[in-house]
This record gives sequence, structure tokens and C-alpha cells, in this order.
Amino acid sequence: AQKITQTQPGMFVQEKEAVTLDCTYDTSDPSYGLFWYKQPSSGEMIFLIYQGSYDQQNATEGRYSLNFQKARKSANLVISASQLGDSAMYFCAMNRAGTALIFGKGTTLSVSS
Amino acid sequence: DVKVTQSSRYLVKRTGEKVFLECVQDMDHENMFWYRQDPGLGLRLIYFSYDVKMKEKGDIPEGYSVSREKKERFSLILESASTNQTSMYLCASKFSSPTIYEQYFGPGTRLTVT
Repeated sequence: AQKITQTQPGMFVQEKEAVTLDCTYDTSDPSYGLFWYKQPSSGEMIFLIYQGSYDQQNATEGRYSLNFQKARKSANLVISASQLGDSAMYFCAMNRAGTALIFGKGTTLSVSS
Repeated sequence: DVKVTQSSRYLVKRTGEKVFLECVQDMDHENMFWYRQDPGLGLRLIYFSYDVKMKEKGDIPEGYSVSREKKERFSLILESASTNQTSMYLCASKFSSPTIYEQYFGPGTRLTVT
């Protein structure tokens, strides 16, 4: 069975610092995708970044990068130069059979000035 | 811009009531999903639909049913609401192509059953 594990319930970082949010996954499928979503207090789910299992390079989107280590089955999100607006819940997810997502339990990130 | 809308942001219902949660998307997506979000549990899949009138159970379908009569609309039905169905409900949609991976989410409906 597929599974996503996020072991950090909460993380604290100061503005302008980098932060890494951990995510490990388990699947026996050779083809899969890994996602990170941000959920601010308003509740909407905001797509941040995607990594395909066959992608050779780590995905990057602006200040977000995904540190993909296939052998370790990890897909950590790195946020560089944190901003106050980055305070939110972050979910790691994996798609199954190309359709629905399996989510981790989430990590709450708090950025202070 | 892709838009996924949900009929209510907040809903309060009584135990035993029949509850309808509506989701509409405007981008001609084939696949639509209903997730439930609870603190400490993340999002869990209730049902999904890969085409009109087609549906598949997710991980926690008990106590729920769905309807998809039109491509743009996917309804979640609580036949007899119970207090343990108090939760945030999120609808999502995407194209069926496996090379188009992003799911677009609605704003969520926070349902309270008293």
C-alpha cells in the first residue's frame, strides 16, 4: 500500500532563513508523482511543486525546491528565504494510479520576524 | 484560471439530516474528487469520479454517497448525517491525462453536525 509520512507536526523558522520540511513515502509502483501543497489559515489548497519518479533533476519553483532522494524514498520540500506569508500547513502527497492523491498528515510552519 | 467552487463555506446540520455538498469545476476536467480533512489526519479520499456517472470508492466511503450527472458537477451526499462527519470537505478536479498531474482544489466546506 502507498503511504506518505510527515514526521514534523510543527516547524519554526525566522524570516529570511531556509527551512526543510520532511516527507518520506512508500510505494511499489515504479511510476509515481510527488506533490507539495500549502494550506494557509484561509483553507484553500495551493499547489507548490511536483516531482515525477523518472525526473532526473530535482524540481524547483521559485523559492521552493524538492529534494528528491529516490533510494531513500524521501521528497523533502526546501523553502529558501522564508517570508511571513509562508506560515501555513504544508502537505506532502503522492498520486496513485495517476488519479487521486494520498496525503501526509501535514506540517505546520511558523515564520517569525 | 481553473476554478473549483463549492456550494457553501460553512454548513451546520442536525444529526440524521440528509446533507448535499456540491462541487462545480469550469475547466472540463474528467476526474473529480472528494476529500475529508481532519486535524492530525491530513486529507483522506472519500470518493472519486473519472467520468460522468462513473465513481469509485476511496479510503473512507462509509456513510457517504456521490452523484455525477454532469461533467462539471460532483455532489457528495451524507444520507444521514452523524456527529463524526463533522469535518472540512474539499473537492478537487483534474484532467484524466497522466501527464497532466495537478489537482485543483475548491475552497472547502466546513461542516458541523450537531
